[in-house]
Amino acid sequence: QSVLTQPPSVSAAPGQKVTISCSGSSSDIGNNYVSWYQQFPGTAPKLLIYDNNKLPSGIPDRFSGSKSGTSATLGITGVQTGDEADYYCETWNGTRSGTHVILGGGTKLTVL
Amino acid sequence: EVQLMESGGGLVQRGGSLRLSCAASGFAFSTYWIHWVRQVPGKGLVWVSRINSDGTTTSYADSVKGRFTISRDNAKNMVYLQMSSLTAEDSAVYYCVRCRVGAYYMDVWGKGTTVTVSS
Repeated sequence: QSVLTQPPSVSAAPGQKVTISCSGSSSDIGNNYVSWYQQFPGTAPKLLIYDNNKLPSGIPDRFSGSKSGTSATLGITGVQTGDEADYYCETWNGTRSGTHVILGGGTKLTVL
Repeated sequence: EVQLMESGGGLVQRGGSLRLSCAASGFAFSTYWIHWVRQVPGKGLVWVSRINSDGTTTSYADSVKGRFTISRDNAKNMVYLQMSSLTAEDSAVYYCVRCRVGAYYMDVWGKGTTVTVSS
């Protein structure tokens, strides 16, 4: 299965805005919703964005998501030191053998 | 409290088998699909398998197809991942994750169980 393409790392100073891209194809992102997950070292991932741009309860609106064509973007405004984590995008890909989940390679956010 | 708890991980020899279990609680289990996602420490998340809400359809990543089998027992609120012909590349933390029927996101993750395949 294919893997969604994310930059390995991004960095931002506290208070700045940062974006993380996620690139796919017409058979995955182009045809399905995108979700984003946040993971701190040694812990399980947590849902951050679903259905391209919706925030689960408890997620601050500093986080946002968007999708255009075969790419998606996670945005974080007013970056905080506590946002330093790994971020993964995710979508689905329907094939003859069944619907598969596809994940990005992950992006490490460093807060300078 | 909504919870998924994995168990069954451990050390196994190359070529061996292991069965992971995922116990669900605090929600209407039979209305959710369940996925297994694995992660080598320090590496990214990799989707492994999923099963639909009544257990009638399953799907697998190419890397585990034919070696892993996912199943569920809705009466016991349990999901299983039977793993065989294990290789060092299967060593990872395995997460059990739920996905509501009709949704395209995984909203609750277990804490994970570690599988180590020795060569």
